[in-house]
Amino acid sequence: GQNIDQPTEMTATEGAIVQINCTYQTSGFNGLFWYQQHAGEAPTFLSYNVLDGLEEKGRFSSFLSRSKGYSYLLLKELQMKDSASYLCAVRDSNYQLIWGAGTKLIIKP
Amino acid sequence: IAGITQAPTSQILAAGRRMTLRCTQDMRHNAMYWYRQDLGLGLRLIHYSNTAGTTGKGEVPDGYSVSRANTDDFPLTLASAVPSQTSVYFCASSESASNEQFFGPGTRLTVL
Repeated sequence: GQNIDQPTEMTATEGAIVQINCTYQTSGFNGLFWYQQHAGEAPTFLSYNVLDGLEEKGRFSSFLSRSKGYSYLLLKELQMKDSASYLCAVRDSNYQLIWGAGTKLIIKP
Repeated sequence: IAGITQAPTSQILAAGRRMTLRCTQDMRHNAMYWYRQDLGLGLRLIHYSNTAGTTGKGEVPDGYSVSRANTDDFPLTLASAVPSQTSVYFCASSESASNEQFFGPGTRLTVL
């Protein structure tokens, strides 16, 4: 079966760094996405990795290791507005997205 | 303003009733998707359309139907609603199946 695993909840302090991990087992791999979802709102696109390595975009970076079936999202200089759920999704061999349940990130002052 | 809209925002529905959730995008995206999101679960794909005139089944299609008569609209119909269809429904679109997806604001549906 297909499976995406990520921690249910994480807590971090304003101004700090947090790493949210995602492991996956899917039928085929055609890229990995990270989305941010604030409570009661729609998911919004953050990053995309298809090759191994680190993709940096401002305060957010995403890493991929295809051989390990592993990705992480790194958030630096945390702000209160970063409190949200972070969704990991893998595009499988049928070009459909398989979604993790999301990691709820709580930022404390 | 370019984007993707959904209607209604929320709805309470009696079991057995028929309901259509509307989704419209003005980005001229070829691909469109319907997901449901339930607490503790990831987004699950109900139906998708890679281009106008074609549709496909996702992970949880039973009890739902879709049509794609044109590029902009992708309505989702529940023929006879059941309480297990209580969920938040998101419509999404992408330029193609290879691109990132953009999501509508969602419809919160309660079936009693």
